[in-house]
Parts: sequence; C-alpha cells; structure tokens
Amino acid sequence: GEEVAQTPKHLVRGEGQKAKLYCAPIKGHSYVFWYQQVLKNEFKFLISFQNENVFDETGMPKERFSAKCLPNSPCSLEIQATKLEDSAVYFCASTGRGLYEQYFGPGTRLTVT
Amino acid sequence: AQSVSQHNHHVILSEAASLELGCNYSYGGTVNLFWYVQYPGQHLQLLLKYFSGDPLVKGIKGFEAEFIKSKFSFNLRKPSVQWSDTAEYFCAVTGISSGSARQLTFGSGTQLTVLP
Repeated sequence: GEEVAQTPKHLVRGEGQKAKLYCAPIKGHSYVFWYQQVLKNEFKFLISFQNENVFDETGMPKERFSAKCLPNSPCSLEIQATKLEDSAVYFCASTGRGLYEQYFGPGTRLTVT
Repeated sequence: AQSVSQHNHHVILSEAASLELGCNYSYGGTVNLFWYVQYPGQHLQLLLKYFSGDPLVKGIKGFEAEFIKSKFSFNLRKPSVQWSDTAEYFCAVTGISSGSARQLTFGSGTQLTVLP
C-alpha cells in the first residue's frame, strides 16, 4: 500500500501481560523502523530491519522486547510481561533503499495498567 | 552519538505572525535533516528535508528551513502562521552511510499554538 499501516490503534494490557503490535510498511520499502514515543515527545529508536534481517537493534530493551519482519507478513513488535513504563505510542516507519526520508504509520497507543 | 536540540518547548503566536523554530544538531559527519509535524491526534508527517545542495529548502504548507553548516542549525520558518498550524514540530537528523537507511534522532519537539 501507499501508507504505513499499524494495528491495533489502541491496546490496553495489565502489567505482566504480553502485547503484540503490527506494522505493514509501504509496498516496495525495504527498511522498517520502530520508535517509542513517551509523553507526547521523546521519540526513542528501538530497532530497524532491512527486509527480514535485523539492521540495528541498539535501542531495544533486550529482556522483554522482541521484533520480527517475516516475508509476506506484517512486521511485529512484541513486549513480554509489560510494565507501566512501557505505556507509550509505538510508531513504525518505512523507507526504501537509497532513500532517507521515513514515512510513519499512525502509531499504536499502548496503555499498561 | 548524534543529538538534536530544540530550545523552544512551547511557542504561542497570533495568526499572521512570523514563526521561527530553532534546531541544532550534534553529529560528527554528513547528515540529512528533517522537520516533521504532528497535528493533534495524527501521525508524523514530513514537512521538509535537506539532503544536499541549496541550504534553503522549501516544504509543504509554506514552511521553509535553512541549513547553516557552521552553526549546526536547521531552523524552521514560516512568514505568516495560521490557526491550522497548531501542532507539535520535531526536528530530526540521520547520518548518511553508503545507501543504508539509518534511524532518525529526534529533538524533543516544539508545541506551536496559534491563537485565532
């Protein structure tokens, strides 16, 4: 598609529960990025993929966060055993090889109670 | 490590006033620079970008930005703001590496409120 799609729009989880977020990049884009936005600002980079391969995971909290981009499937970001501090909007962005501008999805608002 | 500073956290203007939002970055190499806007309840949209060439770049909705390399700055400007420009504005930078896409480093954002 021509837009980055993210599902669900909102997700509410009790502390300790699992959360799984999905992202479908723009068709033809080979790079996918995940960002976490806390408190309406402070974008934090989490992880990026080049096709199905992890490109850069320097921002990922390794203990509870994992992500995948499998062929012919939406990319996913999974948080095991969510904590209150995971409450944030999670944005996915995509771009193509040789491009540098990233196109953002509408985000998934995760609320951990 | 690269970083981006936006010194104005909240700017309040009346319609038709001129706007300038500051952005300074720190990075030890060649960069691409961006301004994104986030309207209330919406996702990030690209306003404008600088890759190379003319340091004065024009974007959508009448916005422009000037890259001043010696000052590591990329300030956003608009001659006359409208009520509909009320939004959060983010400056972002990414380092250039041979054909690979790198993550964006964002500033902390500037909330612009335009009073009718």
